[in-house]
Amino acid sequence: GEEVAQTPKHLVRGEGQKAKLYCAPIKGHSYVFWYQQVLKNEFKFLISFQNENVFDETGMPKERFSAKCLPNSPCSLEIQATKLEDSAVYFCASSQGFLNQPQHFGDGTRLSIL
Amino acid sequence: EDQVTQSPEALRLQEGESSSLNCSYTVSGLRGLFWYRQDPGKGPEFLFTLYSAGEEKEKERLKATLTKKESFLHITAPKPEDSATYLCAVQAGGSSNTGKLIFGQGTTLQVKP
Repeated sequence: GEEVAQTPKHLVRGEGQKAKLYCAPIKGHSYVFWYQQVLKNEFKFLISFQNENVFDETGMPKERFSAKCLPNSPCSLEIQATKLEDSAVYFCASSQGFLNQPQHFGDGTRLSIL
Repeated sequence: EDQVTQSPEALRLQEGESSSLNCSYTVSGLRGLFWYRQDPGKGPEFLFTLYSAGEEKEKERLKATLTKKESFLHITAPKPEDSATYLCAVQAGGSSNTGKLIFGQGTTLQVKP
Protein backbone atom coordinates (compact mmCIF):
# COMPACT_ATOMS: atom_id res chain seq x y z
CA GLY A 1 0.00 0.00 0.00
CA GLU A 2 0.90 3.68 -0.11
CA GLU A 3 0.74 4.15 3.64
CA VAL A 4 2.15 2.38 6.66
CA ALA A 5 -0.76 0.55 8.26
CA GLN A 6 -0.69 -0.20 11.97
CA THR A 7 -3.21 -2.31 13.84
CA PRO A 8 -4.87 -2.15 16.23
CA LYS A 9 -5.22 1.60 16.87
CA HIS A 10 -5.71 1.01 20.57
CA LEU A 11 -4.91 -2.06 22.67
CA VAL A 12 -5.79 -2.50 26.33
CA ARG A 13 -4.16 -5.23 28.40
CA GLY A 14 -4.02 -6.12 32.07
CA GLU A 15 -0.60 -6.15 33.67
CA GLY A 16 1.11 -9.48 32.96
CA GLN A 17 -0.80 -10.17 29.75
CA LYS A 18 0.71 -10.41 26.28
CA ALA A 19 0.37 -7.64 23.68
CA LYS A 20 0.94 -7.98 19.95
CA LEU A 21 1.09 -5.07 17.53
CA TYR A 22 1.15 -5.22 13.74
CA CYS A 23 2.63 -3.08 10.98
CA ALA A 24 2.30 -3.31 7.20
CA PRO A 25 5.05 -1.20 5.58
CA ILE A 26 4.70 0.72 2.34
CA LYS A 27 5.00 -1.63 -0.62
CA GLY A 28 8.53 -1.60 -1.99
CA HIS A 29 10.13 -0.34 1.23
CA SER A 30 12.86 -2.67 2.49
CA TYR A 31 13.37 -1.19 5.96
CA VAL A 32 11.02 -1.18 8.92
CA PHE A 33 11.64 0.71 12.15
CA TRP A 34 9.77 0.53 15.47
CA TYR A 35 9.70 3.46 17.92
CA GLN A 36 8.11 3.89 21.33
CA GLN A 37 6.62 7.26 22.30
CA VAL A 38 6.20 7.25 26.07
CA LEU A 39 5.81 10.81 27.23
CA LYS A 40 4.60 13.51 24.90
CA ASN A 41 7.02 13.66 21.95
CA GLU A 42 9.69 11.47 23.53
CA PHE A 43 10.52 8.92 20.83
CA LYS A 44 12.71 5.92 21.61
CA PHE A 45 14.10 3.66 18.87
CA LEU A 46 13.44 -0.04 19.48
CA ILE A 47 14.41 -2.17 16.48
CA SER A 48 14.79 -2.11 12.70
CA PHE A 49 14.54 -4.71 9.95
CA GLN A 50 15.93 -5.06 6.46
CA ASN A 51 13.23 -7.16 4.86
CA GLU A 52 12.88 -10.11 7.25
CA ASN A 53 16.31 -9.70 8.85
CA VAL A 54 16.97 -7.83 12.09
CA PHE A 55 19.10 -4.81 11.18
CA ASP A 56 19.56 -3.00 14.48
CA GLU A 57 18.12 -4.21 17.78
CA THR A 58 20.12 -2.00 20.12
CA GLY A 59 16.99 -0.30 21.45
CA MET A 60 15.04 -3.42 22.33
CA PRO A 61 14.63 -4.27 26.01
CA LYS A 62 16.48 -7.53 26.65
CA GLU A 63 13.50 -9.31 28.13
CA ARG A 64 9.81 -9.47 27.19
CA PHE A 65 10.07 -7.64 23.82
CA SER A 66 10.38 -9.44 20.51
CA ALA A 67 9.71 -8.53 16.89
CA LYS A 68 9.48 -10.21 13.50
CA CYS A 69 9.07 -9.33 9.85
CA LEU A 70 8.14 -12.45 7.86
CA PRO A 71 7.62 -12.63 4.09
CA ASN A 72 4.07 -11.87 2.93
CA SER A 73 2.94 -10.99 6.47
CA PRO A 74 2.70 -7.77 8.47
CA CYS A 75 5.62 -7.11 10.80
CA SER A 76 4.84 -7.63 14.48
CA LEU A 77 6.03 -6.37 17.84
CA GLU A 78 5.19 -8.59 20.81
CA ILE A 79 5.46 -7.79 24.50
CA GLN A 80 5.26 -10.67 26.96
CA ALA A 81 4.20 -10.16 30.58
CA THR A 82 3.36 -6.49 30.10
CA LYS A 83 4.14 -3.93 32.78
CA LEU A 84 2.52 -0.57 33.55
CA GLU A 85 5.61 1.18 32.13
CA ASP A 86 4.97 -0.40 28.71
CA SER A 87 2.00 1.95 28.28
CA ALA A 88 2.94 4.10 25.28
CA VAL A 89 2.21 4.74 21.62
CA TYR A 90 4.19 2.39 19.39
CA PHE A 91 5.02 3.71 15.93
CA CYS A 92 6.19 1.79 12.93
CA ALA A 93 7.97 3.48 10.02
CA SER A 94 9.26 2.23 6.70
CA SER A 95 11.80 3.52 4.19
CA GLN A 96 13.38 2.52 0.90
CA GLY A 97 16.93 2.72 2.25
CA PHE A 98 18.33 2.88 5.78
CA LEU A 99 20.31 6.10 5.38
CA ASN A 100 19.46 9.45 3.82
CA GLN A 101 15.91 8.29 3.10
CA PRO A 102 12.87 9.66 4.93
CA GLN A 103 11.06 7.24 7.18
CA HIS A 104 7.29 7.24 6.68
CA PHE A 105 5.26 6.61 9.81
CA GLY A 106 2.00 4.88 10.56
CA ASP A 107 -0.52 6.38 12.98
CA GLY A 108 0.65 4.20 15.83
CA THR A 109 -0.87 1.74 18.28
CA ARG A 110 -1.74 3.14 21.69
CA LEU A 111 -1.01 0.42 24.27
CA SER A 112 -2.66 0.89 27.65
CA ILE A 113 -1.63 -1.45 30.47
CA LEU A 114 -4.08 -1.51 33.37
CA GLU B 1 26.23 11.09 23.10
CA ASP B 2 24.04 12.03 20.14
CA GLN B 3 21.44 14.60 21.17
CA VAL B 4 18.75 16.78 19.62
CA THR B 5 17.19 19.77 21.41
CA GLN B 6 14.25 21.78 20.11
CA SER B 7 13.10 25.20 21.21
CA PRO B 8 10.76 26.62 22.16
CA GLU B 9 8.65 23.80 23.63
CA ALA B 10 5.48 25.66 22.74
CA LEU B 11 4.75 28.63 20.50
CA ARG B 12 1.56 30.63 20.08
CA LEU B 13 1.23 32.85 17.04
CA GLN B 14 -1.47 35.00 15.56
CA GLU B 15 -2.44 34.15 12.01
CA GLY B 16 0.03 35.86 9.69
CA GLU B 17 2.71 36.29 12.38
CA SER B 18 5.92 34.72 11.03
CA SER B 19 8.38 32.94 13.34
CA SER B 20 11.10 30.29 13.52
CA LEU B 21 11.53 26.99 15.35
CA ASN B 22 15.01 25.86 16.38
CA CYS B 23 16.61 22.41 16.39
CA SER B 24 20.11 22.13 17.86
CA TYR B 25 21.99 18.87 17.44
CA THR B 26 25.13 17.14 18.65
CA VAL B 27 25.85 14.02 16.63
CA SER B 28 28.88 12.06 15.49
CA GLY B 29 28.75 12.66 11.77
CA LEU B 30 25.38 13.95 10.60
CA ARG B 31 23.93 11.79 7.82
CA GLY B 32 20.63 13.64 7.57
CA LEU B 33 18.29 15.96 9.47
CA PHE B 34 14.56 15.44 9.11
CA TRP B 35 11.59 17.65 9.93
CA TYR B 36 8.21 16.09 10.64
CA ARG B 37 4.80 17.44 11.49
CA GLN B 38 2.62 15.51 13.96
CA ASP B 39 -1.09 16.11 14.50
CA PRO B 40 -2.83 14.76 17.63
CA GLY B 41 -3.52 11.04 17.38
CA LYS B 42 -1.48 10.70 14.18
CA GLY B 43 1.99 9.58 13.24
CA PRO B 44 4.74 11.99 12.21
CA GLU B 45 4.30 13.28 8.65
CA PHE B 46 7.52 13.83 6.71
CA LEU B 47 8.26 17.42 5.65
CA PHE B 48 11.96 17.86 4.73
CA THR B 49 15.36 16.23 4.67
CA LEU B 50 18.54 18.31 4.90
CA TYR B 51 21.97 16.76 4.41
CA SER B 52 24.64 19.45 4.53
CA ALA B 53 25.26 22.88 6.03
CA GLY B 54 23.90 25.67 3.86
CA GLU B 55 21.12 23.56 2.43
CA GLU B 56 17.58 24.98 2.33
CA LYS B 57 14.23 23.39 1.47
CA GLU B 58 10.83 25.04 1.03
CA LYS B 59 7.25 23.87 0.98
CA GLU B 60 4.35 26.32 0.97
CA ARG B 61 4.74 28.50 4.09
CA LEU B 62 7.59 26.41 5.53
CA LYS B 63 11.32 26.77 4.91
CA ALA B 64 13.98 24.64 6.57
CA THR B 65 17.65 25.61 6.82
CA LEU B 66 20.71 23.81 8.15
CA THR B 67 24.02 24.86 9.71
CA LYS B 68 26.73 22.69 11.28
CA LYS B 69 25.07 22.92 14.69
CA GLU B 70 21.40 23.64 14.16
CA SER B 71 18.42 23.77 11.86
CA PHE B 72 15.62 26.28 11.67
CA LEU B 73 12.07 25.80 10.47
CA HIS B 74 10.78 29.18 9.35
CA ILE B 75 7.02 29.62 9.14
CA THR B 76 5.90 32.55 7.02
CA ALA B 77 2.42 34.02 7.51
CA PRO B 78 1.09 30.93 9.28
CA LYS B 79 -2.53 29.84 9.15
CA PRO B 80 -4.55 28.00 11.83
CA GLU B 81 -4.13 24.76 9.86
CA ASP B 82 -0.37 24.97 10.51
CA SER B 83 -1.09 24.23 14.18
CA ALA B 84 0.69 20.96 15.05
CA THR B 85 3.76 19.60 16.80
CA TYR B 86 6.91 19.94 14.70
CA LEU B 87 9.57 17.31 15.29
CA CYS B 88 13.22 17.40 14.33
CA ALA B 89 15.19 14.15 14.02
CA VAL B 90 18.73 13.26 12.96
CA GLN B 91 20.50 10.25 11.58
CA ALA B 92 24.01 9.94 12.93
CA GLY B 93 27.10 8.38 11.39
CA GLY B 94 29.81 6.38 13.12
CA SER B 95 28.70 3.40 15.20
CA SER B 96 25.11 4.66 15.10
CA ASN B 97 25.13 4.37 11.32
CA THR B 98 22.06 2.14 11.08
CA GLY B 99 19.47 4.71 10.12
CA LYS B 100 17.66 5.02 13.43
CA LEU B 101 16.25 8.48 14.05
CA ILE B 102 17.13 10.48 17.15
CA PHE B 103 14.26 12.84 17.89
CA GLY B 104 14.03 16.16 19.66
CA GLN B 105 11.20 16.85 22.08
CA GLY B 106 9.22 18.79 19.50
CA THR B 107 7.71 22.28 19.34
CA THR B 108 3.95 22.54 19.67
CA LEU B 109 2.71 25.38 17.49
CA GLN B 110 -0.69 26.98 17.92
CA VAL B 111 -1.83 29.54 15.35
CA LYS B 112 -4.85 31.60 16.35
CA PRO B 113 -7.16 33.18 13.76
